Amino acid sequence: DAKTTQPPSMDCAEGRAANLPCNHSTISGNEYVYWYRQIHSQGPQYIIHGLKNNETNEMASLIITEDRKSSTLILPHATLRDTAVYYCIVSYSNTGNQFYFGTGTSLTVIP
Amino acid sequence: GAGVSQSPSNKVTEKGKDVELRCDPISGHTALYWYRQSLGQGLEFLIYFQGNSAPDKSGLPSDRFSAERTGGSVSTLTIQRTQQEDSAVYLCASRLGLANEQFFGPGTRLTVL
Repeated sequence: DAKTTQPPSMDCAEGRAANLPCNHSTISGNEYVYWYRQIHSQGPQYIIHGLKNNETNEMASLIITEDRKSSTLILPHATLRDTAVYYCIVSYSNTGNQFYFGTGTSLTVIP
Repeated sequence: GAGVSQSPSNKVTEKGKDVELRCDPISGHTALYWYRQSLGQGLEFLIYFQGNSAPDKSGLPSDRFSAERTGGSVSTLTIQRTQQEDSAVYLCASRLGLANEQFFGPGTRLTVL
């Protein structure tokens, strides 16, 4: 039940901003946008989430379009350790099982 | 511990054998999830526990799969009569509440020969 569409892979130069897009055109009003990443051989790691407003934390920024049909995760200064698969997920906050990870975007940070 | 732990980290078994995978969630987290990740694939939801409510088993692929969560803490995922297609990394995650993020364990890599 794919609710999001992401490019399968992206490259980014070390030190530059990495902008990872996600389309979620069928998102409903109560669904949040979550981003997780998975570094090789590790469990996924939470990055950020938002509902309508743009969000920023120590890891990244999340930009959500006004119509909420797409979003962009921004890693402001990518490092080699940011090489990972990034998953965009839409989910209700009040139901536990609606968390579909999909296949994500494989980001490679290039020295 | 500070994070979600899973054991064993690796499990090799023969086809037809039963296996048990363990998850210790973060203390106090009311929600617990099991996922499966096959090689090169995204995560596949298996089962979800929330407090004392009946678990959501909608993601279990067959009746060979079952899970329990005792005392609202430790969970065990059991796979009976394992098949080669069960080979995957099994990930557990816990969540403080439904408005919070999930914290994942390191996973158990299951190989069925």
